[in-house]
Amino acid sequence: AQSVSQHNHHVILSEAASLELGCNYSYGGTVNLFWYVQYPGQHLQLLLKYFSGDPLVKGIKGFEAEFIKSKFSFNLRKPSVQWSDTAEYFCAVMPTGGGNKLTFGTGTQLKVEL
Amino acid sequence: KAGVTQTPRYLIKTRGQQVTLSCSPISGHRSVSWYQQTPGQGLQFLFEYFSETQRNKGNFPGRFSGRQFSNSRSEMNVSTLELGDSALYLCASSLGTSDEQFFGPGTRLTVL
Repeated sequence: AQSVSQHNHHVILSEAASLELGCNYSYGGTVNLFWYVQYPGQHLQLLLKYFSGDPLVKGIKGFEAEFIKSKFSFNLRKPSVQWSDTAEYFCAVMPTGGGNKLTFGTGTQLKVEL
Repeated sequence: KAGVTQTPRYLIKTRGQQVTLSCSPISGHRSVSWYQQTPGQGLQFLFEYFSETQRNKGNFPGRFSGRQFSNSRSEMNVSTLELGDSALYLCASSLGTSDEQFFGPGTRLTVL
């Protein structure tokens, strides 16, 4: 079975600071990788996804993530965060060819201070 | 295009009762998955339905069940409710297999 680890549970940053959230997964086969965001009072939204190809993927709102296969990692980055980025961020994996079953990490609560 | 809708948005039940939650996927999406979100356990996969058949199942007891109709709408049922079933239940729909999932707003279930 697959598992996902998110190392940072709570992160507090000032506006304009750079962000990097770690995500590592465990699975013996190929996976699709996702980052979802949950803004306060809103439902889960997709930030970005990696299926294949260029391991550096860009998502919405200036977010990007890099898939490093040798490290089983899919870290999320943003060069300069804004107050509106305050939210909970979830990394998730889905084995390819196995239907639509997401395994989520425990989430990272990001607070951006003015 | 309308998003994933879930009804009801809030429910309060007592222990021992049963509950049925409903999910309408995005038009054209044939896959519907259900997740449970709690502060302690995070987001956990319950099951997935595709073309009216259960395709994947998570590690939940048999009290949790679901079904999908020919129009792709899905329901999940929880029987003999326990306090620990209090959670946000999320539904997600997908167009294909191993694909991006679009989430609904969830149903907040409180068991007293």
